Amino acid sequence: QKEVEQNSGPLSVPEGAIASLNCTYSDRGSQSFFWYRQYSGKSPELIMFIYSNGDKEDGRFTAQLNKASQYVSLLIRDSQPSDSATYLCAVTGSSASKIIFGSGTRLSIRP
Amino acid sequence: NAGVTQTPKFQVLKTGQSMTLQCAQDMNHNSMYWYRQDPGMGLRLIYYSASEGTTDKGEVPNGYNVSRLNKREFSLRLESAAPSQTSVYFCASRPLLGVTEAFFGQGTRLTVV
Repeated sequence: QKEVEQNSGPLSVPEGAIASLNCTYSDRGSQSFFWYRQYSGKSPELIMFIYSNGDKEDGRFTAQLNKASQYVSLLIRDSQPSDSATYLCAVTGSSASKIIFGSGTRLSIRP
Repeated sequence: NAGVTQTPKFQVLKTGQSMTLQCAQDMNHNSMYWYRQDPGMGLRLIYYSASEGTTDKGEVPNGYNVSRLNKREFSLRLESAAPSQTSVYFCASRPLLGVTEAFFGQGTRLTVV
């Protein structure tokens, strides 16, 4: 079992709709959770991080964390074509220094 | 401010050849990481260095060695390259433990023939 799991997609969402991306992790001691966006041929860039249970909002993006269920999600409201990319979930382990990524979910926003 | 710089950007190796991928950061970060990315596999951690003087294995360390030369530099060495090591390699750095993001270099595309 991978430490961080994501549905690889592709996930196709119409423009203006809400895109929902999910991630589960296996290490109960995990402390910090990150969502990165990666365009084809580019490096990953941070969208959001979260470390407390509940929701965290930043513009059109909302990260949700449920440590009891070992689940973290990312919601993108009012999806735009520029949101089409691969979204990577990342988790720090119990040691806090190691960062493990999921395999990524490819998101496509259709006009 | 250059951030995280990787060299080279592209490399073609023959099976059995060796090479070192270089990574340097100018942000005074403590932790540094090497990942590889294959199609559909996300980023897989090869080795990391939590602080200067320490290195630890990640998820896929076999076939690689690393050196944390100083606080700025973290190199990845392939002693005897294999076609299975064809991949895009990313170096990343991070200022502190805890809730701090990792910053990535531009990647090195390595092909082993």
